[in-house]
Amino acid sequence: QPVLTQSSSASASLGSSVKLTCTLSSGHSSYSIAWHQQQPGKAPRYLMRVEGGGSYNKGSGVPDRFSGSSSGADRYLTISNLQFEDEADYYCETWDTNTQEVFGGGTKLTVL
Amino acid sequence: EVQLVQSGAEVKKPGESLKISCKGSGYRFTSYWIGWVRQMPGKGLEWMGIIYPGDSDTRYSPSFQGQVTISADKSISTAYLQWSSLKASDTGMYYCARKASGTYLDGFDLWGQGTMVNVSS
Repeated sequence: QPVLTQSSSASASLGSSVKLTCTLSSGHSSYSIAWHQQQPGKAPRYLMRVEGGGSYNKGSGVPDRFSGSSSGADRYLTISNLQFEDEADYYCETWDTNTQEVFGGGTKLTVL
Repeated sequence: EVQLVQSGAEVKKPGESLKISCKGSGYRFTSYWIGWVRQMPGKGLEWMGIIYPGDSDTRYSPSFQGQVTISADKSISTAYLQWSSLKASDTGMYYCARKASGTYLDGFDLWGQGTMVNVSS
């Protein structure tokens, strides 16, 4: 079954860019993933789906500052022009026939 | 507006039963899988299971199989998560979420606001 690995924390300055990584386990490097944002005290919010080939599709209303990409087993979420409201937990998600659903452990992003 | 609206917070005692709900609106409820996700205090997201309201096809995470029951009433566009005998360790926030397409082999693209369940003697 696939396993998703995320760094537990990241930080970046207001107005800068940050690239969060979600790594798929061996044998699952072609899988698509989804990124979700969870601001403090709120429900998760879908951001985008990222394909193994690097293309991505964002959810409705997701700002242009958010983009996705891919390299090998790594799936990325890049946030440019960081705002204080981007301070949140970010989770990646994948799925397959056998296990149905897997979440990464989440990355806590701090905006300095 | 496309949305999932969940039932309100619950405070229960160990051993009690509970059924929480998730009502979909603004889209064809029977055509999209609905999943349930647990988040224990200060922790990450855990997938519990998923149901296709069109025919009630249900799949469970091995971690939650036998611990909860997922169901749906398509006539009122509502999915449910229920416990027959709660434990203190069931305390947490529970989210319903919709799969992005008509297959479960896709990500969740719509989340409910969450239902807090507090189980304490």
